[in-house]
Amino acid sequence: DTGVSQNPRHKITKRGQNVTFRCDPISEHNRLYWYRQTLGQGPEFLTYFQNEAQLEKSRLLSDRFSAERPKGSFSTLEIQRTEQGDSAMYLCASSPYQGNTEAFFGQGTRLTVV
Amino acid sequence: ELKVEQNPLFLSMQEGKNYTIYCNYSTTSDRLYWYRQDPGKSLESLFVLLSNGAVKQEGRLMASLDTKARLSTLHITAAVHDLSATYFCAVEMALRPYGGSQGNLIFGKGTKLSVKP
Repeated sequence: DTGVSQNPRHKITKRGQNVTFRCDPISEHNRLYWYRQTLGQGPEFLTYFQNEAQLEKSRLLSDRFSAERPKGSFSTLEIQRTEQGDSAMYLCASSPYQGNTEAFFGQGTRLTVV
Repeated sequence: ELKVEQNPLFLSMQEGKNYTIYCNYSTTSDRLYWYRQDPGKSLESLFVLLSNGAVKQEGRLMASLDTKARLSTLHITAAVHDLSATYFCAVEMALRPYGGSQGNLIFGKGTKLSVKP
């Protein structure tokens, strides 16, 4: 499968715990995005990388959230001290830098904070 | 701030009928995308509309873009049950200073389509 891969697919955690999600983009895609989607809503942009550089962060990305893409390939999204309001589907997408910037989405990681 | 509004948010159709979903956005953008999402699944890209007047068709779905009116439509022809899903339009943020399109998408709330026999 050469699509965007996210792990884990599901995560249940207790409030206050830290969680980390991983995203493997389509190979050779320079751009990688993180979105969050809550029930009944459209995805909301969190942050994006061009290669290893994090170029944009949404105001939604509080200081408890951090994202990295150290070698310009896979990315991780960490949430520290999780809160119930963090429960959502976290979607990763990637796109090539040149030409058509259509983003391809992964299957998502569904986080439930109890 | 770029805002994207879809209507209707819920649509119940009978098989064989036609209908149109509307997507309005608040600021200038030349790139608009339509995605489909099945329950519990990720987003599947349907159409990429890159210029004013763009029209694309795939099967029973046709999408168009009017950048002057800041409006895109997704027209459903002779609906079938398999089209039941949530459809999102997404508008790309304007060009950024470091070159090229930024690529961040602002999504509408989605239109939940249910096609009944």
